[in-house]
Amino acid sequence: ETGVTQTPRHLVMGMTNKKSLKCEQHLGHNAMYWYKQSAKKPLELMFVYSLEERVENNSVPSRFSPECPNSSHLFLHLHTLQPEDSALYLCASSQDEGPHGYTFGSGTRLTVV
Amino acid sequence: GNSVTQMEGPVTLSEEAFLTINCTYTATGYPSLFWYVQYPGEGLQLLLKATKADDKGSNKGFEATYRKETTSFHLEKGSVQVSDSAVYFCALSERQGAQKLVFGQGTRLTINP
Repeated sequence: ETGVTQTPRHLVMGMTNKKSLKCEQHLGHNAMYWYKQSAKKPLELMFVYSLEERVENNSVPSRFSPECPNSSHLFLHLHTLQPEDSALYLCASSQDEGPHGYTFGSGTRLTVV
Repeated sequence: GNSVTQMEGPVTLSEEAFLTINCTYTATGYPSLFWYVQYPGEGLQLLLKATKADDKGSNKGFEATYRKETTSFHLEKGSVQVSDSAVYFCALSERQGAQKLVFGQGTRLTINP
């Protein structure tokens, strides 16, 4: 399998639940990213991992916790979310060297009830 | 900081019309420029890119030219199809450690038959 794969595609969770989003890339890239896409808002960069180390955390609330166990996998652990956290969460990967841009996954549509 | 500004949407055109979506940027240095497209229910896909001034990126009938003098990267297509209906994002890359893309707010395009 090639490209960037995100699971699940859809997730409904209560505010007291704990869940995790998963992202896998089979492109040999060395950087991975989490973005949040809300209706009528620009794409928000949440976290950046380069060579499995977190290099950016854009003031994201602690109820979002990323994990990058190796260069092919990225997780976003969720707990005690709020309804305003409902959004499309997009994972992307890139090769750190060179202006290649990102390859995105199809996203996880999260609804917090 | 670096930023990207796109024309406000939504844009609605008839099939076979000429399309322009304006994009201007503010950046230090010499960023690479990208257009991404997002079809309904999907993640973002790279449409085209340009890495230096006067470069023209092209794909699927879409074109954009990197204009350093006007700091612009307008997207054009000579004859749009219904299947081009999507949200289009302009982006620039900046390097602060990992490659990072800065996105515009997106322009929703609807093509009517």
